[in-house]
Amino acid sequence: GDSVTQMEGPVTLSEEAFLTINCTYTATGYPSLFWYVQYPGEGLQLLLKATKADDKGSNKGFEATYRKETTSFHLEKGSVQVSDSAVYFCALSLSGGYNKLIFGAGTRLAVHP
Amino acid sequence: GAGVSQSPRYKVAKRGQDVALRCDPISGHVSLFWYQQALGQGPEFLTYFQNEAQLDKSGLPSDRFFAERPEGSVSTLKIQRTQQEDSAVYLCASSSQGNEQYFGPGTRLTVT
Repeated sequence: GDSVTQMEGPVTLSEEAFLTINCTYTATGYPSLFWYVQYPGEGLQLLLKATKADDKGSNKGFEATYRKETTSFHLEKGSVQVSDSAVYFCALSLSGGYNKLIFGAGTRLAVHP
Repeated sequence: GAGVSQSPRYKVAKRGQDVALRCDPISGHVSLFWYQQALGQGPEFLTYFQNEAQLDKSGLPSDRFFAERPEGSVSTLKIQRTQQEDSAVYLCASSSQGNEQYFGPGTRLTVT
């Protein structure tokens, strides 16, 4: 069935370090791909998305590129801040439907000064 | 404008009790989703409404779970005879057709 696999956390980084959180997916058809972020005490927020192969989603310095050949959508940021500490979820929705989301298990990121 | 709201934010139920969780979506949003998020896991789809019609309930884990949206706005997720495995955060999301889902803060249910 359709699924999302992301790297286990926690990921612990120093401020200004480079971030990569890996995400791969299995899906029939051509899904849209998303990264959601959950800050402490807050609800899920959409961080970025890509709807077709080779699209790059970007927001707040984060980027992810839809790679159909490797079925991946890795999240990157060149220089993390303490305020980026949160749980990050990779997700997909299938085309032709009503955009039900299928999530990965989440990766907790902790950034230290 | 107001986002998606959910109530209560926290609910403690004794095993066997019935609970009702409320979701107020963003005004005018046609689509409404319920997800269940177990501790340390990603959200899992429960059910989907388009206006008042429940078009997909494939994710409801048992017939103890029931959801409704009678007037196409507010939705209620009801769990009968709660069990310990029902302990989770229940998330509601709404969207205008085909667009970004906006999530509420969730209701944390603890069954003792």
